[in-house]
Amino acid sequence: EAAVTQSPRNKVAVTGGKVTLSCNQTNNHNNMYWYRQDTGHGLRLIHYSYGAGSTEKGDIPDGYKASRPSQENFSLILELATPSQTSVYFCASGASGYEQYFGPGTRLTVL
Amino acid sequence: KTQVEQSPQSLVVRQGENCVLQCNYSVTPDNHLRWFKQDTGKGLVSLTVLVHENDKTSNGRYSATLDKDAKHSTLHITATLLDDTATYICVVGAPAGGNNKLTFGQGTVLSVIP
Repeated sequence: EAAVTQSPRNKVAVTGGKVTLSCNQTNNHNNMYWYRQDTGHGLRLIHYSYGAGSTEKGDIPDGYKASRPSQENFSLILELATPSQTSVYFCASGASGYEQYFGPGTRLTVL
Repeated sequence: KTQVEQSPQSLVVRQGENCVLQCNYSVTPDNHLRWFKQDTGKGLVSLTVLVHENDKTSNGRYSATLDKDAKHSTLHITATLLDDTATYICVVGAPAGGNNKLTFGQGTVLSVIP
């Protein structure tokens, strides 16, 4: 079964601080994704990757960077966190995008 | 404009009752539709996927239908259990350069009470 883990599970950050959210998958999937989930919205795609070394912008990339140093790891980086980035962030992996396996989520609060 | 609309937004049923969740979408082209279950504070777990016109699927007490012409899907849950309490999310996939772009609905919050 697909295994996607995220760390940390909860994070409180201050405005203007740097935040890094990490994701690890053990299924050798090429594709990995970062989404955020907010009340009143479906999950929205921030960044995605087709493999190590690649990152692509999703639908709402502003204020976020991504890094894919290896097949297993995909990070989401907030260089200057803002309160509007308070959200629940989900990482997912998949072979083709047809099926995606989701991590448990990271709850980020920016004060 | 919301491309995947789910109804109702929330629903309360008594344990043992049946319920039906609706999903209407405007995503074009659409190559598949998937229903996820999200327990509170957890990730999304796939329940079923529908691919073809007039597809019907069954996964235990969960069954789903897809009408691609009408761009409409339903998720039926029979004999609900307390553990069915969760948010159910409809997701439509569209082909995008050899992969799939997913568009998510906001979800239906189902509460099953004793």
